[in-house]
Amino acid sequence: RKEVEQDPGPFNVPEGATVAFNCTYSNSASQSFFWYRQDCRKEPKLLMSVYSSGNEDGRFTAQLNRASQYISLLIRDSKLSDSATYLCVVIAYSGAGSYQLTFGKGTKLSVIP
Amino acid sequence: DGGITQSPKYLFRKEGQNVTLSCEQNLNHDAMYWYRQDPGQGLRLIYYSQIVNDFQKGDIAEGYSVSREKKESFPLTVTSAQKNPTAFYLCASRLGVGDTGELFFGEGSRLTVL
Repeated sequence: RKEVEQDPGPFNVPEGATVAFNCTYSNSASQSFFWYRQDCRKEPKLLMSVYSSGNEDGRFTAQLNRASQYISLLIRDSKLSDSATYLCVVIAYSGAGSYQLTFGKGTKLSVIP
Repeated sequence: DGGITQSPKYLFRKEGQNVTLSCEQNLNHDAMYWYRQDPGQGLRLIYYSQIVNDFQKGDIAEGYSVSREKKESFPLTVTSAQKNPTAFYLCASRLGVGDTGELFFGEGSRLTVL
């Protein structure tokens, strides 16, 4: 099983739709979680951190399910500008005082007029 | 403004040549990272550094070298030993080396081998 897995998509949704992505992780020592957005041929940019209690930022909601080892990202009222690839990042303790950052391969979202 | 600066943004190289990609940050971050991204693929870790004068190999270090002589700078050299160097290279930094703190990315360097 891969350490961090995402459905590659593409998810093609109409404007105004609600869409959700999941990201599963295999390392139970994972401690911090993030969602990044990457536009075509650009660098990833932080969308939001994922907290244990869940967090919301406008149309975006992130949640963590430690029991099932996944994080989710919900986008409400999709806009054309939401079209991008969404990457999850997991930080886990890897021993000897070190922490490992692992990226998922990303989920591509296309919002259609 | 604080941030990470990568240069050059685009680079063309002939086979057999070494090239060095620059990465400078003024965020006072301890940790710096180099990633490679191929079309339609995820990010793969090349090297990372958690402190000056120390760095560790990532998953695909072969054919690459780095140095960390200053906290602000983490240049990556793509050597002629790297068999398939055409890719998008991303430098990133993080404030600490622990379990918190997000990554900040530079705008990337796109290397093409002719």
